[in-house]
Amino acid sequence: GAVVSQHPSRVICKSGTSVKIECRSLDFQATTMFWYRQFPKQSLMLMATSNEGSKATYEQGVEKDKFLINHASLTLSTLTVTSAHPEDSSFYICSAWTGNEKLFFGSGTQLSVL
Amino acid sequence: GENVEQHPSTLSVQEGDSAVIKCTYSDSASNYFPWYKQELGKRPQLIIDIRSNVGEKKDQRIAVTLNKTAKHFSLHITETQPEDSAVYFCAASSQGGSEKLVFGKGTKLTVNP
Repeated sequence: GAVVSQHPSRVICKSGTSVKIECRSLDFQATTMFWYRQFPKQSLMLMATSNEGSKATYEQGVEKDKFLINHASLTLSTLTVTSAHPEDSSFYICSAWTGNEKLFFGSGTQLSVL
Repeated sequence: GENVEQHPSTLSVQEGDSAVIKCTYSDSASNYFPWYKQELGKRPQLIIDIRSNVGEKKDQRIAVTLNKTAKHFSLHITETQPEDSAVYFCAASSQGGSEKLVFGKGTKLTVNP
């Protein structure tokens, strides 16, 4: 079964609004989680590394003020897309390493900004 | 940083045939190489992985080989079935303490009945 839970699976919002996506590790603690973005028919692009209790590490070219990451507990990381615009529409997906050193993904969130 | 190249981008085979997908990586310090299968609109699923201390690993119809000297690794699927149709991604671990994975661009595999 799934070991990483992600919600919501799909969200449609108006331009200018903010959207929060949650990623939870189930039955294990994750000090580090990763957030990826995936465009249709393309690969997974790492956006940022979420670190429990400290600031996230963003990849080059990713706006940290646009994509706010909070990793407040060992089982929850959130990604907030602030002031979303149509170009932010994408499939967002989180991942976490389990205790047996396997990286598992959440179910993803399809964001559509109108 | 790490760079992963994956080939081919598309692959079409007949049911029952074998499929091979190849990846190369740039960072000789990388030591973990997983393969993921992603169906349309779904999450990537880990199907097999290999660490640098072994050269080959097999799980039923799926196998992965690793050549550290040449810095390439391959996914082999035997006796392909239509349900194997999906996009497959290879990845390599990147050093630096963050343990992030760098992914290849993916291979769309189509298994024709």
